[in-house]
Amino acid sequence: EAGVTQFPSHSVIEKGQTVTLRCDPISGHDNLYWYRRVMGKEIKFLLHFVKESKQDESGMPNNRFLAERTGGTYSTLKVQPAELEDSGVYFCASSHRGLRDGYTFGSGTRLTVV
Amino acid sequence: GEDVEQSLFLSVREGDSSVINCTYTDSSSTYLYWYKQEPGAGLQLLTYIFSNMDMKQDQRLTVLLNKKDKHLSLRIADTQTGDSAIYFCAVDNDYKLSFGAGTTVTVRA
Repeated sequence: EAGVTQFPSHSVIEKGQTVTLRCDPISGHDNLYWYRRVMGKEIKFLLHFVKESKQDESGMPNNRFLAERTGGTYSTLKVQPAELEDSGVYFCASSHRGLRDGYTFGSGTRLTVV
Repeated sequence: GEDVEQSLFLSVREGDSSVINCTYTDSSSTYLYWYKQEPGAGLQLLTYIFSNMDMKQDQRLTVLLNKKDKHLSLRIADTQTGDSAIYFCAVDNDYKLSFGAGTTVTVRA
């Protein structure tokens, strides 16, 4: 079974540019999550999809961040325009419906905004 | 929101036991987790414990949960160089995980 796949693994962009991160969850996992770790601090929740619906987006920092999960399969997280404080590692995770003990995380995308 | 605190660094000699501590604030958490992140890799689930348990043992790993004090610990027996990594404590709150800042464990020969 393939794990959670994220790409790119690294991205370096200039302030003001746009970046789109992609996450492919484990096939059949209805729940998909985005998290972010900024500058060695704690990993913070961004949002949670159940299939294609946003269940909880309380962690999204501002309207420069847009997450989508069309068709309930892969998800994208777009940052537009990127700011310096957006730098960090963005993790995606997925879990099967109802199995809260089954979160599987991807390797993360390291975003550097210069 | 949930606050999860853990010490930032731990240095341990190879072969000794490592103990990583974590405190949290939300007593309604059902699942509590320990994740490991090796350099350049993602988050790997090490173990988890249900809130109605006091202890869980899995090979070299022992998790202790003190619900009264809201304290979670991870003990790694016979620590090896491959155990060098960042260890994150996380608690579950309605499908949302709250993480600590991570404890960087360095194993020295």
